[in-house]
Amino acid sequence: DQQVKQNSPSLSVQEGRISILNCDYTNSMFDYFLWYKKYPAEGPTFLISISSIKDKNEDGRFTVFLNKSAKHLSLHIVPSQPGDSAVYFCAARLTGGGNKLTFGTGTQLKVEL
Amino acid sequence: DSGVTQTPKHLITATGQRVTLRCSPRSGDLSVYWYQQSLDQGLQFLIQYYNGEERAKGNILERFSAQQFPDLHSELNLSSLELGDSALYFCASSPGGVQFFGPGTRLTVL
Repeated sequence: DQQVKQNSPSLSVQEGRISILNCDYTNSMFDYFLWYKKYPAEGPTFLISISSIKDKNEDGRFTVFLNKSAKHLSLHIVPSQPGDSAVYFCAARLTGGGNKLTFGTGTQLKVEL
Repeated sequence: DSGVTQTPKHLITATGQRVTLRCSPRSGDLSVYWYQQSLDQGLQFLIQYYNGEERAKGNILERFSAQQFPDLHSELNLSSLELGDSALYFCASSPGGVQFFGPGTRLTVL
C-alpha cells in the first residue's frame, strides 16, 4: 500500500521557468512533510519541509504548499536552474510513529537550457 | 556533505552470503535510520535506533538485523543474501525532525 504517491515519474522544464512537483498521500495521520533532492550516486539531500499546521513554507527559490483537505502537497521551484536537475522525493512522517519517514517513488526533474 | 558516512560504497557478493554495512551518524545525532532503495522505488524504511536502543521497525526481513553501538555508529547485517536484496542501502541520522542521509552502499548480489 503506497501511502505517499508521486504520480509523475519525470518532468521536463525550461531554465528560468517554474517547476511544480506533486505529491499525494492517503494517511491523514501524517503530520510533517519533507522534500529531498537526490543526484546519482549520492544520498538524498534535504530541501524543505512543512508541518501539517501550515499551508505554505518558503525558502529561497523553493516553496512547498500543503492542501490537507486534498491530501496533496507540491514543491515549486522558481526560477528553475540546470543544477536543479535531479530526482525529487516527497516524504511524510506519521504522528506518533517516531520519526520514520514514508517516501514517494520520486520524480526525475530535468531542467533544459 | 551531510556529515553521515557509510562504508563500503560498493559491495558485490554471492547469494547465501552475509554482509555488514556500516554507518557513522552526524556528530551529536542520537538517532540512526536504515532505508533500502530498490530499482526505481522510493526509499523503504527498515529500522531506527536511538541511543543504542531499537526505536522503530519497518518491513525489515528476519534475515536482516541491525545494532547501534555506544559510540553511536550503526551496522546493518544482511544474511542468507538473495538476488532480490540487491539495492542501495541508506543510513540517515537526525537530531529530531529532518533526517540527513549518507551517500549509501550499493549492494549487488550475484
